[in-house]
Amino acid sequence: KAGVTQTPRYLIKTRGQQVTLSCSPISGHRSVSWYQQTPGQGLQFLFEYFSETQRNKGNFPGRFSGRQFSNSRSEMNVSTLELGDSALYLCASSPTGASYNEQFFGPGTRLTVL
Amino acid sequence: DQQVKQNSPSLSVQEGRISILNCDYTNSMFDYFLWYKKYPAEGPTFLISISSIKDKNEDGRFTVFLNKSAKHLSLHIVPSQPGDSAVYFCAASDGATDSWGKLQFGAGTQVVVTP
Repeated sequence: KAGVTQTPRYLIKTRGQQVTLSCSPISGHRSVSWYQQTPGQGLQFLFEYFSETQRNKGNFPGRFSGRQFSNSRSEMNVSTLELGDSALYLCASSPTGASYNEQFFGPGTRLTVL
Repeated sequence: DQQVKQNSPSLSVQEGRISILNCDYTNSMFDYFLWYKKYPAEGPTFLISISSIKDKNEDGRFTVFLNKSAKHLSLHIVPSQPGDSAVYFCAASDGATDSWGKLQFGAGTQVVVTP
């Protein structure tokens, strides 16, 4: 079974630009969660999607948005990039979102904002 | 507001010895706790978990202890091996249906196992 894939793996953008990151979950998984990892802050929850609906949202500004498609693939978008948005963005998929033992993370997308 | 705290950013331990990683939480609604291990350039991988109805869970070399009254959990790795060198994250969930898919993570502890 293929794991969670994230594209692109690395991205360099400049302040003010926007970016779209993609996450393809494990086949059969309907829940996709997104996290931001920065040094010293651990992983901060961004949002979770289940069956194309945003079910949960973390404390991030409206510049951070996401969506999920009918095949469970998910994208997140960050508009008007700021230097502080430089981070590793991780997505995780699970069958329903209820069982964390069945949650698997992708390798992440490293975003650098210059 | 960091509800899950790992106060030791790093830990160095000799191969064969015990590694003890600590984690504190503030939210008394948390009822499920997990430890993840993360290597560079990879996503976190699930290691071990514990429900609030238990105070100990063991899986091979890994044991997690939960002290609900102190809102504290710890991960013991015995014996430590060089392949255990990684960042370890503590995470928690309150189990509510409207929290599904959402975990609160600590900042992580970098473990280095020396020969």
